[in-house]
Amino acid sequence: DIQMTQSPSTLSASVGDRVTITCRASQSISDWLAWYQQKPGKAPKLLIYKASSLESGVSSRFSGRGSGTEFTLTISSLQPDDFATYYCQQYNSYSSFGQGTRLDLK
Amino acid sequence: QVHLQESGPGLVKPSETLSFTCTVSGYSLTTGYYWGWIRQPPGKGPEWLGSVFHTGRPYHNPSLRTRVSFSVDTSKNQFSLRLYSVTAADTAVYYCARHPREILAFDHWGQGILATVSS
Repeated sequence: DIQMTQSPSTLSASVGDRVTITCRASQSISDWLAWYQQKPGKAPKLLIYKASSLESGVSSRFSGRGSGTEFTLTISSLQPDDFATYYCQQYNSYSSFGQGTRLDLK
Repeated sequence: QVHLQESGPGLVKPSETLSFTCTVSGYSLTTGYYWGWIRQPPGKGPEWLGSVFHTGRPYHNPSLRTRVSFSVDTSKNQFSLRLYSVTAADTAVYYCARHPREILAFDHWGQGILATVSS
């Protein structure tokens, strides 16, 4: 099984900040990685696929980078609607998700 | 607009079978995508359970292969999940979702349904 580890687990930031979340895979997954945003009581929402491709309709403030085992999700200029939990997901070998990064308002 | 909606019982006893159905509207089940199931225990990250093509061809998560089965009813534009021999560890919100073929990036999700396993 491929394990996905996200850091940090919790991140406190302010509106307007630029933040970066890291996701590491236990083995190489090429660029078969997606990022999701989840708000309480809602389903995850796809933001990024294939490590850096922006899903249709998603704000360009979200960007993804990486390949192999290390990946990042960056949100430039945080907006109030961005405070949520973020998950990475590999789909190189079946699928597995990270444990999540909760982005809180400082 | 693609819409997915889960249905099924909210409470099941240990050792019984959990069954969910996902009804898809706004998109034909037979048009090129796989249809998957993901669950999320309270406070934890999601877990992919498996997916099914409209032909009934399954794509299993190996860790759950012996406990899950999938079915499709194209006449109703529905697909279903059965999870056997449940325990308290199967308590979770269960989602259905869509993904392109074997690329498991889920672009449309249902709202989710909470299933509790308890005697």
